[in-house]
Amino acid sequence: GIQVEQSPPDLILQEGANSTLRCNFSDSVNNLQWFHQNPWGQLINLFYIPSGTKQNGRLSATTVATERYSLLYISSSQTTDSGVYFCAPGGATGTASKLTFGTGTRLQVTL
Amino acid sequence: DTAVSQTPKYLVTQMGNDKSIKCEQNLGHDTMYWYKQDSKKFLKIMFSYNNKELIINETVPNRFSPKSPDKAHLNLHINSLELGDSAVYFCASSQGGGSAFFGQGTRLTVV
Repeated sequence: GIQVEQSPPDLILQEGANSTLRCNFSDSVNNLQWFHQNPWGQLINLFYIPSGTKQNGRLSATTVATERYSLLYISSSQTTDSGVYFCAPGGATGTASKLTFGTGTRLQVTL
Repeated sequence: DTAVSQTPKYLVTQMGNDKSIKCEQNLGHDTMYWYKQDSKKFLKIMFSYNNKELIINETVPNRFSPKSPDKAHLNLHINSLELGDSAVYFCASSQGGGSAFFGQGTRLTVV
């Protein structure tokens, strides 16, 4: 199966700082999603990004499928950004996607 | 309205019991999933259904049986519960192989 490596495993930021989270994966994929698991355990879909770049407010993501990595940028971090960020690459057909989750980056944003 | 809803949110039960977790989505998606998150936050796919048809069936003990009465519902029944089944179980849905949206999770504790 696909091997997924996320870095860094842990990150502490002061509010207002920027950060880049990285996801490396071992095989070609046609599906990659980023999720945020908040401190209450809810998994929130951030990006569906099998290739290219997308932006949503202070967050943006870039996937370079040919080089098998994806990056998540968080700018002007806020305390509400705290939680675990998961990268999940996988294969997708017309009927379903089989995502393999990484071990996550645990982010803590302090005042 | 909650897009993907699971019940119950918490479930505490004794070893050997049989229990069910229900999931419903109102997003009009045709694909639903069950994922398991262990105590180390590792997320792994268990099953996927597309239009009531089983698409993905990972290496899961036979004690776990998913049932999809229609494309908006996917329930998970677990027989003869064991201590190792303790985890958070997430239901998710997507349209085909697109973005996955997760429920709030069901924390199962087997004592």
